[in-house]
Amino acid sequence: DGGITQSPKYLFRKEGQNVTLSCEQNLNHDAMYWYRQDPGQGLRLIYYSQIVNDFQKGDIAEGYSVSREKKESFPLTVTSAQKNPTAFYLCASSTRGTGTGNTIYFGEGSWLTVV
Amino acid sequence: AQSVTQLDSQVPVFEEAPVELRCNYSSSVSVYLFWYVQYPNQGLQLLLKYLSGSTLVKGINGFEAEFNKSQTSFHLRKPSVHISDTAEYFCAVSNYGGSQGNLIFGKGTKLSVKP
Repeated sequence: DGGITQSPKYLFRKEGQNVTLSCEQNLNHDAMYWYRQDPGQGLRLIYYSQIVNDFQKGDIAEGYSVSREKKESFPLTVTSAQKNPTAFYLCASSTRGTGTGNTIYFGEGSWLTVV
Repeated sequence: AQSVTQLDSQVPVFEEAPVELRCNYSSSVSVYLFWYVQYPNQGLQLLLKYLSGSTLVKGINGFEAEFNKSQTSFHLRKPSVHISDTAEYFCAVSNYGGSQGNLIFGKGTKLSVKP
């Protein structure tokens, strides 16, 4: 089935550690996104990428990094510089960027907890 | 810059009753409007979207929304809800021709359907 796969579903991080969340899509979409969701805050954009080897910062990029070496993959690294990383992280993709009205499709999300 | 306000953070309703989830947006240019649904511990799924044309948009699961440009609103309605509609609903807006990562989400409305 076509879709977006995020892994792991649950991840625990110790203080000072970097962790990487995986996102793979087989929808042949050009654009990919990472959102952070906190209770009562809605979704906030961390990074997005419209094409391989190119990505742009979203509203809350500090403390995060991404890469886009393949069209299908857009991993997110939560670095130790991110002071409050405990949240639900959602990966998404679309045929083109959201400025064209295209629907974005979401993965099932990953829970990150700092212990 | 555009913004989205979902006027109710929680909406409790009895099964088979009608429901309206309110969404207002702010933008200086033409917009695209979306409603997404999120079931517990899952990603978001598109319910419906307005791009242009008829202001009444029908979506999945019996939901519909009406675009009102003069009131800058895009309220979501369903004439008769089911227990299975219990979820969080997000309104989102992007500017026509805007930057490719500019889909802005509201903070969500939790719909709770009681028997």
